[in-house]
Amino acid sequence: EAGVVQSPRYKIIEKKQPVAFWCNPISGHNTLYWYLQNLGQGPELLIRYENEEAVDDSQLPKDRFSAERLKGVDSTLKIQPAELGDSAVYLCASSLDIGSTDTQYFGPGTRLTVL
Amino acid sequence: SQQGEEDPQALSIQEGENATMNCSYKTSINNLQWYRQNSGRGLVHLILIRSNEREKHSGRLRVTLDTSKKSSSLLITASRAADTASYFCATLRGANSKLTFGKGITLSVRP
Repeated sequence: EAGVVQSPRYKIIEKKQPVAFWCNPISGHNTLYWYLQNLGQGPELLIRYENEEAVDDSQLPKDRFSAERLKGVDSTLKIQPAELGDSAVYLCASSLDIGSTDTQYFGPGTRLTVL
Repeated sequence: SQQGEEDPQALSIQEGENATMNCSYKTSINNLQWYRQNSGRGLVHLILIRSNEREKHSGRLRVTLDTSKKSSSLLITASRAADTASYFCATLRGANSKLTFGKGITLSVRP
């Protein structure tokens, strides 16, 4: 069974440019998460989807970040415009059941460098 | 904000030795989970222990939870070089709350 797929794996952009990350969760998983992981830190939740509904986006900086999960499967996370401080690893995870008590399976992440 | 705090920050041991990592947290929890992250890779779920459990085993892993002290420990027995990674504890406060990770422990197992 394929795990969580993310692309691209690496992205280098100049500040003020837009960038988008894509995530394909494990087939059948209803809940999808986007996390931000800074160097030397643990992941921090940006947004959680249950099917196509964003049920927790309190940590998403909405002035420049946006996310969508059309049809409750794939998801994209966008930053526009990117700032130097956005350099980090963006992780996507999914879990089978609705609600956050289920085991989360993580993708390999997208490492973003903003110059 | 990160609720869990792991201790030590870094640990270096010889292959075959046991590795013990600790995690403390601040508020009551629904469950506590341990994850492993190899360099440049995503996180891998290792084990979950619920607030009403005190100890769980999975292969060479043993995790304990002391809710009165708000702490957990992860023991890896007979360590291998392949265990070299960062280990994170993560806590879940409630059914619809978010998983909150600590900063992680860097484990190095010398061959």
